[in-house]
Amino acid sequence: NAGVTQTPKFQVLKTGQSMTLQCAQDMNHEYMSWYRQDPGMGLRLIHYSVGAGITDQGEVPNGYNVSRSTTEDFPLRLLSAAPSQTSVYFCASSRKSGVSANVLTFGAGSRLTVL
Amino acid sequence: GQQLNQSPQSMFIQEGEDVSMNCTSSSIFNTWLWYKQDPGEGPVLLIALYKAGELTSNGRLTAQFGITRKDSFLNISASIPSDVGIYFCAGRTGTASKLTFGTGTRLQVTL
Repeated sequence: NAGVTQTPKFQVLKTGQSMTLQCAQDMNHEYMSWYRQDPGMGLRLIHYSVGAGITDQGEVPNGYNVSRSTTEDFPLRLLSAAPSQTSVYFCASSRKSGVSANVLTFGAGSRLTVL
Repeated sequence: GQQLNQSPQSMFIQEGEDVSMNCTSSSIFNTWLWYKQDPGEGPVLLIALYKAGELTSNGRLTAQFGITRKDSFLNISASIPSDVGIYFCAGRTGTASKLTFGTGTRLQVTL
């Protein structure tokens, strides 16, 4: 049981380049989300989804796009990378409702540096 | 948007000491959660709280859901080296599906 798998683990981009962070889960979780972690800022929600075909914005959505074509996958796209997007990104999933909704399973993180 | 402020931001303690940290919000939450992040990994759920005033333990960890529903507290007794990491509070309002995380408390334990 792999849980939540994120790729790549490390990435260096130049300003203006685009890329996609991949996230896949094999737990049949309805809810998936992307957070970024910055020193002193904690975990800030970028985008989330409560099921295939449904996405919504979190606290810091600007500069990021998401889609949810399947239950398993929730990629995060940076269309034109900026140095302010240098961060560690975490994908997390859970059940959509009930007590299990509080048990977020996180991936191992993707460290992105934008030069 | 909503913001959860945690204090202290970081702590350096000796093995065996007790630890207290708290989380405050400008909004009312109906669920409070505490997660721990080990170095190089994603956070893992420690404790969940569902009612104002609730006190819940998980081994050496005890957490409380504040009466005002705008704060929560986490205590760790008799700290050990593996307690090192970042502790995050998180909250949920109403039936919202998303979780809001706090700014984190970084804990260092010295022998």
